[in-house]
Amino acid sequence: SQQGEEDPQALSIQEGENATMNCSYKTSINNLQWYRQNSGRGLVHLILIRSNEREKHSGRLRVTLDTSKKSSSLLITASRAADTASYFCATDSIYNQGGKLIFGQGTELSVKP
Amino acid sequence: ETGVTQSPTHLIKTRGQQVTLRCSSQSGHNTVSWYQQALGQGPQFIFQYYREEENGRGNFPPRFSGLQFPNYSSELNVNALELDDSALYLCASSQENSGNTIYFGEGSWLTVV
Repeated sequence: SQQGEEDPQALSIQEGENATMNCSYKTSINNLQWYRQNSGRGLVHLILIRSNEREKHSGRLRVTLDTSKKSSSLLITASRAADTASYFCATDSIYNQGGKLIFGQGTELSVKP
Repeated sequence: ETGVTQSPTHLIKTRGQQVTLRCSSQSGHNTVSWYQQALGQGPQFIFQYYREEENGRGNFPPRFSGLQFPNYSSELNVNALELDDSALYLCASSQENSGNTIYFGEGSWLTVV
């Protein structure tokens, strides 16, 4: 079963604009990871945020985590056409055996030049 | 480039046949997980191997089985293939079995006809 839910399911923006994607989850977590997937390809790791962290930055990416609301957001600033991809959040629940990640269904981002 | 390599990249099998997919983990990683991703869905956890032992399993039937070798590479075997097994199969590796960044390979596309 999917623990995470991404919102929106699809997002279309112009190059240069910011893109914000949200993720909600159900159970307490050790950490949350964001991934990008280009069509038909593997998952590229973007950022990991641990349950005791509230915000992390990596280049044009900013991730926030609110454990009280069981939610996270991914902000991509100054988007580029190359950012077009599907974005997934994945949670490592404290109840999981073996470090299993639970994925949402993803947000499909389209950045128009 | 994640250092996780999978083979084959694409294959077509007939219903009822058996398939073996292979994965080499990133250097220094002793944990390998396998995920199934159906078209338009997020990846679903199949199982994880840690130091050659199964260390967690998702909601998949016993005809999905695996192995991890002393060099930490891994195989996913699926017997009695069904049409619904058609999916992208992703291998992921990490250091230790929980709490760390998990890196994915490019996946193996399986089509069952």
